[in-house]
Amino acid sequence: KAGVTQTPRYLIKTRGQQVTLSCSPISGHRSVSWYQQTPGQGLQFLFEYFSETQRNKGNFPGRFSGRQFSNSRSEMNVSTLELGDSALYLCASSLGGAEYGYTFGSGTRLTVV
Amino acid sequence: EDQVTQSPEALRLQEGESSSLNCSYTVSGLRGLFWYRQDPGKGPEFLFTLYSAGEEKEKERLKATLTKKESFLHITAPKPEDSATYLCAVQAGYGGATNKLIFGTGTLLAVQP
Repeated sequence: KAGVTQTPRYLIKTRGQQVTLSCSPISGHRSVSWYQQTPGQGLQFLFEYFSETQRNKGNFPGRFSGRQFSNSRSEMNVSTLELGDSALYLCASSLGGAEYGYTFGSGTRLTVV
Repeated sequence: EDQVTQSPEALRLQEGESSSLNCSYTVSGLRGLFWYRQDPGKGPEFLFTLYSAGEEKEKERLKATLTKKESFLHITAPKPEDSATYLCAVQAGYGGATNKLIFGTGTLLAVQP
């Protein structure tokens, strides 16, 4: 059974650019959540999508956005990158939400220079 | 404000030396408490979900317990392969906006042979 796949694994971008990260959930999982992990703040919730609709959103600026496609794959976009956006971005999928248990991908390591 | 605090930040044990990790939480409407294990360069791996005070769950050398204010992860006779960061997270809130996890900053466990 394939796990949660995130691409790319590593990314280096310049301040001011934009970036798109991709997440393919486990087959049959309809809920996809995104988290930002930094050494100082730990894991922080960005947003959750279920059946192509954003169901929850964390306290991040509008530069962070996402979407989910009909096949449950999800993308996350960050515009006008700042140095502080350097982090590990993790995607997690679930059948229906947190109570069903989340399976995390290995993440995308974004470095902004 | 919902908050999760883990202690200690780091713990070094000798192989076979049992210990406990602590996760204290302050949330409105706890729906579930989760323990994850994270290895370097990987996403968190699900260990346990606890739902109500008094609940206990076990898996190999790990045992998780829950009270109304905190959770403990007991590690019995640890082995070097148990070395990892252990993360605690809570799902909280009422109504629809409950599918986000609030994470603690983790306990870095090192087990020496």
